[in-house]
Amino acid sequence: SQQGEEDPQALSIQEGENATMNCSYKTSINNLQWYRQNSGRGLVHLILIRSNEREKHSGRLRVTLDTSKKSSSLLITASRAADTASYFCATDPYNNNDMRFGAGTRLTVKP
Amino acid sequence: DVKVTQSSRYLVKRTGEKVFLECVQDMDHENMFWYRQDPGLGLRLIYFSYDVKMKEKGDIPEGYSVSREKKERFSLILESASTNQTSMYLCASSNAVAYEQYFGPGTRLTVT
Repeated sequence: SQQGEEDPQALSIQEGENATMNCSYKTSINNLQWYRQNSGRGLVHLILIRSNEREKHSGRLRVTLDTSKKSSSLLITASRAADTASYFCATDPYNNNDMRFGAGTRLTVKP
Repeated sequence: DVKVTQSSRYLVKRTGEKVFLECVQDMDHENMFWYRQDPGLGLRLIYFSYDVKMKEKGDIPEGYSVSREKKERFSLILESASTNQTSMYLCASSNAVAYEQYFGPGTRLTVT
C-alpha cells in the first residue's frame, strides 16, 4: 500500500480560486515534499517541509504539516490555468533518501 | 541547469525480450532511483542506488534488475519483458544530503 495518500483524487476549479490538496501518511518522517507533474512528463519538485516545521510558503504555494495527525496540505492561491497538473506528496518512511509517493491529486484549473 | 535524461520517450517491445532503460544525470548526484507509474497507483519505487556499484531494492523489484557502473548512469533492466511491465518508467536523482529529487521525462514502455 502507498505510504502517502492524496485527497481528493481529482479537483476542478475556476481560475483565480484557491486549490487545497491533502496528504496523509503512515509512518514517522523526517520531511515531506510536494511535486507537480504535467501530463505525461517527469515530476518537478515544488517544496519540502521538515518534520519540525509546521508551515512553509513558496510564492503562491503554502504547505502545512501536522505530524500528530500524519497529514499535510498544499494550498495553491489564485490558481491559473497553467497550474493544471497532478500533484504528489512524497515522504521518507525509512528516514533516508528513498522517498515514497502517493497516487496524486489531479488538479484542473478552468480559464 | 540540472538535467536527467532517459534514453527513450517511447519504447515498444515484445514479450520475452530483454529491455534496457538508461538514465543519465549531469549533476554529480550520489543517489539515483527508478520508479514505475501506473494510473491510480502513483509512483512505485523499483530500485535505487546510493553510490556506484551499489543497489537497493525498492518496493517492487521483481522482474527487474539494475546496473550502476558509473556515477552518472543508472540502468534498469527487464530480463524478460512481460505485458504487466507495460508502464511509464521514471528515473530520478538526488544528492547525498538533500532530499529533493530531479526527474527525467520518463519512458513509456509498451510490452506486446
